Amino acid sequence: ETGVTQSPTHLIKTRGQQVTLRCSSQSGHNTVSWYQQALGQGPQFIFQYYREEENGRGNFPPRFSGLQFPNYSSELNVNALELDDSALYLCASSPNGGGEKNTEAFFGQGTRLTVV
Amino acid sequence: AQKITQTQPGMFVQEKEAVTLDCTYDTSDQSYGLFWYKQPSSGEMIFLIYQGSYDEQNATEGRYSLNFQKARKSANLVISASQLGDSAMYFCAMRENRGYSTLTFGKGTMLLVSP
Repeated sequence: ETGVTQSPTHLIKTRGQQVTLRCSSQSGHNTVSWYQQALGQGPQFIFQYYREEENGRGNFPPRFSGLQFPNYSSELNVNALELDDSALYLCASSPNGGGEKNTEAFFGQGTRLTVV
Repeated sequence: AQKITQTQPGMFVQEKEAVTLDCTYDTSDQSYGLFWYKQPSSGEMIFLIYQGSYDEQNATEGRYSLNFQKARKSANLVISASQLGDSAMYFCAMRENRGYSTLTFGKGTMLLVSP
């Protein structure tokens, strides 16, 4: 196990609703990245938080937002849910901004979100 | 253009045999990192092996080795002596320097190991 925990593990929401997903990073890791993995695809980068600030963002609309707390845990919020938001959402933690090239990201088990 | 290409949607191998999973990548950076992850049905991405762009030797981690051919921009994963527990999705990923560090993943290869 990596020490990265995500909650909830499964979630069903209705189109138009809002959802909050949570991630506790591995001890000592100050960087959290969020990924969306649609069925049959590889994970796609949503954004990254480093020391409580957004440090980088992928090609996702503003209704995807996040937070990082002083203990480096993080939340992913998605507003106005659409059917295409149904996916596995993965959180990954790494130390020091994940800047070292050989620093692997440690992933949680993900939250499976279904939008109906 | 895709940055990471995995051309094998699925691969079958018999237990105890070796298997190679293909990965090609596209980048204009001189410094980058290549990773392989395993994703079982539980969903967690499990780190397997890393290769740096400046590493002259191919990376090895136990039964996993990475066949790195920089000029061809390929980073194939070789699994020796396959085990039933190796059945999973395998993703190749690349880390580039963008001021922040993130991974770009391929679409994955599903590996099935049969007895």
